[in-house]
Amino acid sequence: AQSVTQLDSQVPVFEEAPVELRCNYSSSVSVYLFWYVQYPNQGLQLLLKYLSGSTLVKGINGFEAEFNKSQTSFHLRKPSVHISDTAEYFCAVSDQTSGTYKYIFGTGTRLKVLA
Amino acid sequence: GAGVSQTPSNKVTEKGKYVELRCDPISGHTALYWYRQSLGQGPEFLIYFQGTGAADDSGLPNDRFFAVRPEGSVSTLKIQRTERGDSAVYLCASSLMAGGAEAFFGQGTRLTVV
Repeated sequence: AQSVTQLDSQVPVFEEAPVELRCNYSSSVSVYLFWYVQYPNQGLQLLLKYLSGSTLVKGINGFEAEFNKSQTSFHLRKPSVHISDTAEYFCAVSDQTSGTYKYIFGTGTRLKVLA
Repeated sequence: GAGVSQTPSNKVTEKGKYVELRCDPISGHTALYWYRQSLGQGPEFLIYFQGTGAADDSGLPNDRFFAVRPEGSVSTLKIQRTERGDSAVYLCASSLMAGGAEAFFGQGTRLTVV
């Protein structure tokens, strides 16, 4: 069964510093990949998605992610974070070969931006 | 409506009681998903519908949990004989179609079983 691993449960980073949040998924021939953000007491909001094509995808709020099929990774990056980026970030995968299109989520990474 | 709507936003119930949680998806979205999110965890898949039928209910933890979508729009998640371990935020999402289109999430229903 498909699974998603977010190794870092918490990532503290100073404002204006770069950040990378890691995401690995179990191997599959064909997957769609997503990053969602959840601000405190709010619902999940899509940051970006990879369906096909260019392996570097750009999303909202200056975030980007790179799909690496050989390493089964989809790490999220931002070159310069703001205090307002403090939130929980979830990586998700949809396996296109299993016959079911549910989204499988990782356990999340809490990004804390420090002043 | 503009987004996915879930009601109620909060529900407190006594152990052993029956609860219903409602989800109104975005108009025209054929796929609808239910997830459960416990504190400090990622969303855990429960069930998803394509139209009126449950396409995958493999995430329902036991037979106390049941969901319906009789007209292919609004869905209700039903929990019988609630237990304290059922306390969580229940999230609903919808997408234009199953199979990769992004899912739009509601704000969730926080269920507390006392």
